[in-house]
Amino acid sequence: AQSVTQLGSHVSVSEGALVLLRCNYSSSVPPYLFWYVQYPNQGLQLLLKYTSAATLVKGINGFEAEFKKSETSFHLTKPSAHMSDAAEYFCAVSVVQAGTALIFGKGTTLSVSS
Amino acid sequence: GAVVSQHPSWVICKSGTSVKIECRSLDFQATTMFWYRQFPKQSLMLMATSNEGSKATYEQGVEKDKFLINHASLTLSTLTVTSAHPEDSSFYICSARNRLQTGAGYTFGSGTRLTVV
Repeated sequence: AQSVTQLGSHVSVSEGALVLLRCNYSSSVPPYLFWYVQYPNQGLQLLLKYTSAATLVKGINGFEAEFKKSETSFHLTKPSAHMSDAAEYFCAVSVVQAGTALIFGKGTTLSVSS
Repeated sequence: GAVVSQHPSWVICKSGTSVKIECRSLDFQATTMFWYRQFPKQSLMLMATSNEGSKATYEQGVEKDKFLINHASLTLSTLTVTSAHPEDSSFYICSARNRLQTGAGYTFGSGTRLTVV
């Protein structure tokens, strides 16, 4: 079975500061890893995904994540936070087999202060 | 890109009534659809997995007689909450996996906010 653990349920940064949201995964087979963002009362928006190609994945809105197998991590970063980045962020894991659902972490709330 | 249309976006119903939520894949065929439930300020919990033309597979603790899932075609899956009660109030989200895209092709609907009064 697969699982993800998001370290830190709440992260606060200042506008312009580095954003670092942590995610560690557990999987018995090579995983696919995802980061999603959710704004209040809205659905999910895919930020980026790792599918066994390049380990450094660039996504939308300036976000990127690096797959580190040795650390079983897939942390999300952004060099400079914007106020509009304040939202809920979810890390998720899946595997290649057809019919396998995405399994989500508990989420991290990102707050950005001016 | 791939789009999943989920309706309604919000619904209020009386306790004891049933509510149907639809998810349609608009420009691709969805071999598999997943239904999630999200309580306020919590994560998405997988409720069930449905494959076109077969019975849904429910996660442990999810009542299959209460949450009826039908996946009659490659573009439509429905979730019916039967005899709804206030504790069923939640945000329900569907996700479809593209038949032609192996691995990482998941598309999410925009969610349905269900309030049972």
